[in-house]
Amino acid sequence: DTAVSQTPKYLVTQMGNDKSIKCEQNLGHDTMYWYKQDSKKFLKIMFSYNNKELIINETVPNRFSPKSPDKAHLNLHINSLELGDSAVYFCASSQGSGAGYEQYFGPGTRLTVT
Amino acid sequence: SQKIEQNSEALNIQEGKTATLTCNYTNYSPAYLQWYRQDPGRGPVFLLLIRENEKEKRKERLKVTFDTTLKQSLFHITASQPADSATYLCALTFGDYKLSFGAGTTVTVRA
Repeated sequence: DTAVSQTPKYLVTQMGNDKSIKCEQNLGHDTMYWYKQDSKKFLKIMFSYNNKELIINETVPNRFSPKSPDKAHLNLHINSLELGDSAVYFCASSQGSGAGYEQYFGPGTRLTVT
Repeated sequence: SQKIEQNSEALNIQEGKTATLTCNYTNYSPAYLQWYRQDPGRGPVFLLLIRENEKEKRKERLKVTFDTTLKQSLFHITASQPADSATYLCALTFGDYKLSFGAGTTVTVRA
């Protein structure tokens, strides 16, 4: 059973388009996250939800909008895509939102904007 | 500003030897520190978590130490194998909910 799944795995699109990435976890965790890993492999938090409530909202363009319809799902919608949005986006989940909880990551979605 | 530094980008070692990776952080002293493994094209996988009051933690061939005075964690892979080749990430929080990751150290174990 896949613990944290993401769709699609690859996404190639043109500048200006709007796209969504979906994430689901079947671990029963309360907290979910979106991370961005750029070409230099640096992993950076974007958003986090705890029980459907937004608790972390990093300084990302407001073209990025997360949505959590329920505890098991966290989607990421991106408007007006730009070349600089090209990266790998990882969804993750953890049992709680504190520092002492290990995180489980999805396989990633490689977004390429042309 | 708060930073996490991992000692080097790449570490090449001979099979059977011990790999030692370093994670240094500045300013804030975290209550927890975590280590993850990332293989190419895959998401990070949790390996170990160590608390500030724990000096050392072990899991199979992995050992982590946490020195809050030096603001440093060491990650050891003993009896290394080619299958241990991956990027290893250090992660901690600076007093908030956010897990901040180091840039990672890529370990290559030669047979």
